[in-house]
Amino acid sequence: QKEVEQNSGPLSVPEGAIASLNCTYSDRGSQSFFWYRQYSGKSPELIMFIYSNGDKEDGRFTAQLNKASQYVSLLIRDSQPSDSATYLCAVKVDGGSQGNLIFGKGTKLSVKP
Amino acid sequence: EADIYQTPRYLVIGTGKKITLECSQTMGHDKMYWYQQDPGMELHLIHYSYGVNSTEKGDLSSESTVSRIRTEHFPLTLESARPSHTSQYLCASSDLGQDYGYTFGSGTRLTVV
Repeated sequence: QKEVEQNSGPLSVPEGAIASLNCTYSDRGSQSFFWYRQYSGKSPELIMFIYSNGDKEDGRFTAQLNKASQYVSLLIRDSQPSDSATYLCAVKVDGGSQGNLIFGKGTKLSVKP
Repeated sequence: EADIYQTPRYLVIGTGKKITLECSQTMGHDKMYWYQQDPGMELHLIHYSYGVNSTEKGDLSSESTVSRIRTEHFPLTLESARPSHTSQYLCASSDLGQDYGYTFGSGTRLTVV
């Protein structure tokens, strides 16, 4: 069974700190990796995607991918209370654009002022 | 600005009623999806479609049905609503030719009384 695992949290960090969110996946053939943010009662919104090993930065967000370890993470620098949400890791497990995303259960992040 | 629209946003309906949840997207995406999500819980894929006249069942068994007569439209129907159908229903779409993840609609929160 293809799985995406996340620590459900809650992860609590003080305002201004770095929040580190982690995700592991079971399928070595996975090619594409996505991070979604979901505020309570709202729908998920895409914040980052990464395809290659290494780091990808976008503003305060950095996605990190290590395919050998089957590990993807999201770092949020200078965390703000508005970052408080559930973060979903998603992995495309089938080759090519036809595959579906497999979502993790999400990590709830709380940023304390 | 959302390019994928779901209506209604909220719906309270009596047991046994037939309901259709609407989803439309203006992005020309080939693939569309329906997810079910209870508050604070994970996403469950219930239906998806590769394009016109294509529909597939997802990972979670559902008593709902879907149709895809037009590329932009992917309605979900419950023939006889039950209290166990109370949940949030999220529609999403993606482009088969590009690997940019899914775009989600705002969701329909359904309550069956």
